[in-house]
Amino acid sequence: EVQLVESGGGLVQPGESLRLSCAGSGFIFSDYAIHWVRQAPGKGLEYVSGISSNGGSTYYGDSARGRFTISRDNSKNELYLQMGTLRAEDTAVYYCARDSGGLRWYYYFDSWGQGALVTVST
Amino acid sequence: EVVMTQSPSTLSVSPGERATLSCRASQSVRSDLAWYQQKPGQAPRLLIYGASTRATGLPARFSGAGSGTQFSLTISSLQSEDFAVYFCQQYNHWPLTFGGGTKVEIK
Repeated sequence: EVQLVESGGGLVQPGESLRLSCAGSGFIFSDYAIHWVRQAPGKGLEYVSGISSNGGSTYYGDSARGRFTISRDNSKNELYLQMGTLRAEDTAVYYCARDSGGLRWYYYFDSWGQGALVTVST
Repeated sequence: EVVMTQSPSTLSVSPGERATLSCRASQSVRSDLAWYQQKPGQAPRLLIYGASTRATGLPARFSGAGSGTQFSLTISSLQSEDFAVYFCQQYNHWPLTFGGGTKVEIK
């Protein structure tokens, strides 16, 4: 069974940094691009970032570009999102989601984790 | 950025009835359109990709249609487990964008 489990969420103050992790199991982690998608409380979904299967290519949504960095360690089956200069509007549940394409990017998501809540507040 | 607009925002339907959800793109996304279902406190679940291809294991009562800028998701006979929020997502242009969602509630 494909599983993605996020960790590292919590309460931080504006301007601080936070790193999220996503552990994958039940599939060959290094064969898939993985993405981060977030959802503010009571709101819709917003694309954050994605990384290719070997980590060589990355994409960022407008809100993440320049402040967030996506990376992965295929030896540990883990994905990361380093978030910097956090703002109140970054408050959301952050999901990691597997790209459906395997070694290719398909850009839609066939498996999702349960999410990690990040709250940015004083 | 491609803006995805879903309508209606809320759809009240009785069990066993048909539900049709709409999704409109601000510019053509060809057939690069996915639908997701999200229940309270859960992660989204992929239902449809390529505008009309059902994900593995999805019941046949779910069907997707459309191309270009106009898309629809139809649930032919609503079951209790289908009451949820549904999102569309385009993946033809960067950045990837989602619609605001349609909540399907029990009438």
